[in-house]
Amino acid sequence: EPEVTQTPSHQVTQMGQEVILRCVPISNHLYFYWYRQILGQKVEFLVSFYNNEISEKSEIFDDQFSVERPDGSNFTLKIRSTKLEDSAMYFCASVPLLQETEAFFGQGTRLTVV
Amino acid sequence: AQSVTQPDIHITVSEGASLELRCNYSYGATPYLFWYVQSPGQGLQLLLKYFSGDTLVQGIKGFEAEFKRSQSSFNLRKPSVHWSDAAEYFCAVLGSGNTGKLIFGQGTTLQVKP
Repeated sequence: EPEVTQTPSHQVTQMGQEVILRCVPISNHLYFYWYRQILGQKVEFLVSFYNNEISEKSEIFDDQFSVERPDGSNFTLKIRSTKLEDSAMYFCASVPLLQETEAFFGQGTRLTVV
Repeated sequence: AQSVTQPDIHITVSEGASLELRCNYSYGATPYLFWYVQSPGQGLQLLLKYFSGDTLVQGIKGFEAEFKRSQSSFNLRKPSVHWSDAAEYFCAVLGSGNTGKLIFGQGTTLQVKP
C-alpha cells in the first residue's frame, strides 16, 4: 500500500541552526501539507502546497519557514533558524484530490531543538 | 471561525467495554469530518470519514461515528474495546478555503484497563 515517508524520524539540532525535514508523498497525489504537534497539544496546520506553490499558510508559518518540492517527488520543510519552541513532531500529508478524499499522513519527524 | 472541540482529554475504559469519544465542531457549511488515531510513536491513521449521505459511518477496526447536525457533533463509538485500541484519537474537520487543510481537535487519549 502506498504511504507517505518522512525522514529523519528524529532530529536534534542546536538553536539557531537550519533544519530540513523531508517527505516523500504518495506518487499520484497533488496536494501536500505540513502539520506540527507540540508535545501534549493539538495537531496544527502549517502550510498547504499545490502546483508548486503555497496555497495557504497559517500564522505559525512565518519567514523562518519555507517549503519546496525540488524534484517532483520530495517535499521539504526548512526552518531557517530554529528556536526552542520549534521543538515538535512534524507531520507531512498528501491528498490525491480535494473532493471527498482524506489526507494520508507520514509517521512524523520529531524535532528537538536544544 | 472553524474549530473542533474534544471535551475529554483522557478516558479510561475496561477491555470489552463500550467506548464513546466526543467531538463537536463549529463550521458554517456542511462539514467534512474525520477521525484519526495515533498510536505511540506512529503517524496519524484514518479511522473513518463523513462527507455526505448516511449519518452513521463505519470505519476500520470496528469503529463507527454518527454525524448529528443538530448537535454539531461527530462522536466516535466502539461496542467493545480491545487493549490495542489504546492510543490518541483526533477529530478533524476539513477547513474552508478549498486548500484541503484539516483543523484538529485537542485529541483524546484512550487508556484501556485489562
